[in-house]
Amino acid sequence: KNQVEQSPQSLIILEGKNCTLQCNYTVSPFSNLRWYKQDTGRGPVSLTIMTFSENTKSNGRYTATLDADTKQSSLHITASQLSDSASYICVVSRRGGNNRKLIWGLGTSLAVNP
Amino acid sequence: DVKVTQSSRYLVKRTGEKVFLECVQDMDHENMFWYRQDPGLGLRLIYFSYDVKMKEKGDIPEGYSVSREKKERFSLILESASTNQTSMYLCASSPRAGPIHGYTFGSGTRLTVV
Repeated sequence: KNQVEQSPQSLIILEGKNCTLQCNYTVSPFSNLRWYKQDTGRGPVSLTIMTFSENTKSNGRYTATLDADTKQSSLHITASQLSDSASYICVVSRRGGNNRKLIWGLGTSLAVNP
Repeated sequence: DVKVTQSSRYLVKRTGEKVFLECVQDMDHENMFWYRQDPGLGLRLIYFSYDVKMKEKGDIPEGYSVSREKKERFSLILESASTNQTSMYLCASSPRAGPIHGYTFGSGTRLTVV
């Protein structure tokens, strides 16, 4: 069964600290993996996309990694800010897929406290 | 700034009412989508459209219909609203090769059916 599982479900950190969010998937055949950030009451916004051949990609203080062999991805946030408080959602696309073939994770809720 | 605009942020309707949720995008995207988002269930695809007057069922189309008369506009219709349709509704759009380019989401409509 095609699934995307994210951990932890929720996380609380202090401002300035680093954190890592995990995404494990069993989607096959794999095309790409994307991380979205969703602020409370807003729609998701894309942070980064990882294709099969990419291991690491950075977007400012956000760094995503992908291990296609173990089917795991992580999103590392460096020097967290209060504005990083949001839900982070991992979504995996199946190769050859149309737009129905996106498998969404349930997200990790991150709270950054002062 | 390109955007997807949803007509209402908050909506309260009575059981049995016909409800229209409107979505407009200004990016000339071919694909448009309607999702609902519920705690613990994540994003679930209701309907999507590849082109004007084209529509396809997503994973949970029951109780919903859609209309796409113009490329920039995609409407979600609840024929007879029920309390289990209380949810956050998210509209999104993408270029034709959506899974690579990612989706642009609107800010969402929080619908409460009483």
